[in-house]
Amino acid sequence: GESVGLHLPTLSVQEGDNSIINCAYSNSASDYFIWYKQESGKGPQFIIDIRSNMDKRQGQRVTVLLNKTVKHLSLQIAATQPGDSAVYFCAENGASGGSNYKLTFGKGTLLTVNP
Amino acid sequence: NAGVTQTPKFRVLKTGQSMTLLCAQDMNHEYMYWYRQDPGMGLRLIHYSVGEGTTAKGEVPDGYNVSRLKKQNFLLGLESAAPSQTSVYFCASSPRGGVGQPQHFGDGTRLSIL
Repeated sequence: GESVGLHLPTLSVQEGDNSIINCAYSNSASDYFIWYKQESGKGPQFIIDIRSNMDKRQGQRVTVLLNKTVKHLSLQIAATQPGDSAVYFCAENGASGGSNYKLTFGKGTLLTVNP
Repeated sequence: NAGVTQTPKFRVLKTGQSMTLLCAQDMNHEYMYWYRQDPGMGLRLIHYSVGEGTTAKGEVPDGYNVSRLKKQNFLLGLESAAPSQTSVYFCASSPRGGVGQPQHFGDGTRLSIL
């Protein structure tokens, strides 16, 4: 999985399978996390977010899990479809005093869905 | 609902030329941001604004200027373009800052400096 600071990993899955994309973060003070999807030639698209007082949040076909003990975030995509092929990256807000609107972005994971 | 709109989508400049990238949002958001995205690197914040008439420096502000004269618009200027500024530039906006205020992005301006 990705980390805020590592090279772009890749994940290849079969259509219909579940996908799990991982993200490690380093700032234990971060209190807000966001997952984005970026398709080729497009801007990042908001998928789902989670606050640090939660450990799980579900959306449509997506679930985000947060493990603050090991500073790990994951995005689960159910029944992955070809349209899910994109780069996915996580962002954390750092929560450094009054600057907690500044996000730190990971480099992303390239998800490829095979038909 | 257009969201965040960036113009132009593509541009090629010669070293030393100047230009302005335009960003407009129709969501009545208070906060706006300019990022650059380079291969192998995450999004890096250039400048941001927490409201009309305000701007502040981000992580990589050198060589860029910004203005927020109207709430819905955030302009990024390159005073004297350099090849190192070849990149994809993204504008984003959020209702406010902090927890529960995700940033929403435009589709980018692809800028090449020769």
